[in-house]
Amino acid sequence: DGGITQSPKYLFRKEGQNVTLSCEQNLNHDAMYWYRQDPGQGLRLIYYSQIVNDFQKGDIAEGYSVSREKKESFPLTVTSAQKNPTAFYLCASSSRTGTFQYFGAGTRLSVL
Amino acid sequence: GNSVTQMEGPVTLSEEAFLTINCTYTATGYPSLFWYVQYPGEGLQLLLKATKADDKGSNKGFEATYRKETTSFHLEKGSVQVSDSAVYFCALSDQKNAGGTSYGKLTFGQGTILTVHP
Repeated sequence: DGGITQSPKYLFRKEGQNVTLSCEQNLNHDAMYWYRQDPGQGLRLIYYSQIVNDFQKGDIAEGYSVSREKKESFPLTVTSAQKNPTAFYLCASSSRTGTFQYFGAGTRLSVL
Repeated sequence: GNSVTQMEGPVTLSEEAFLTINCTYTATGYPSLFWYVQYPGEGLQLLLKATKADDKGSNKGFEATYRKETTSFHLEKGSVQVSDSAVYFCALSDQKNAGGTSYGKLTFGQGTILTVHP
């Protein structure tokens, strides 16, 4: 079955530590996105990539980094510079001819 | 910039009640509009969409009509079930690819929590 796989489902970060969230899709989609969801709030765009080896900052990119070395993969690193990383992180993808985004099941990040 | 405003929740209904969740938007041009649903602990699923004015999106008994004159895309369902309990997000996309279909970043409303009691 085609879809988007995010791992891990739960992740804990220690102070000063970088952590990487995985996002893999087998839908052959060109574009991939990372969103952050905080309780009672909508989703905010962190980074997006419309093609391999290219990506752009979203609305809240500070403290995060990404790479897009393969079409199917778009990992997100939450760096130590992100002072409030506790949130639910959602990865999505879309095709150039499609009209909507598919979402993964999310990763819940907490700070120890 | 683009923005989406949803009615504040949470919304609590009894089974078989009528549901309306209001959504209004601000955008340049002619955006596509979406409703996504999120069940507890899960990612978002597309519920329905509309790509041009007066289009009606529908799925699983839910409907929403793209009203350009009022910049609205209200979600309705005639008879809700307990299984409809979830968070509902209204969203828009105003980027178009060369073929004219929407492609790209979504702007989300803050979400509306719906709880349906038996």
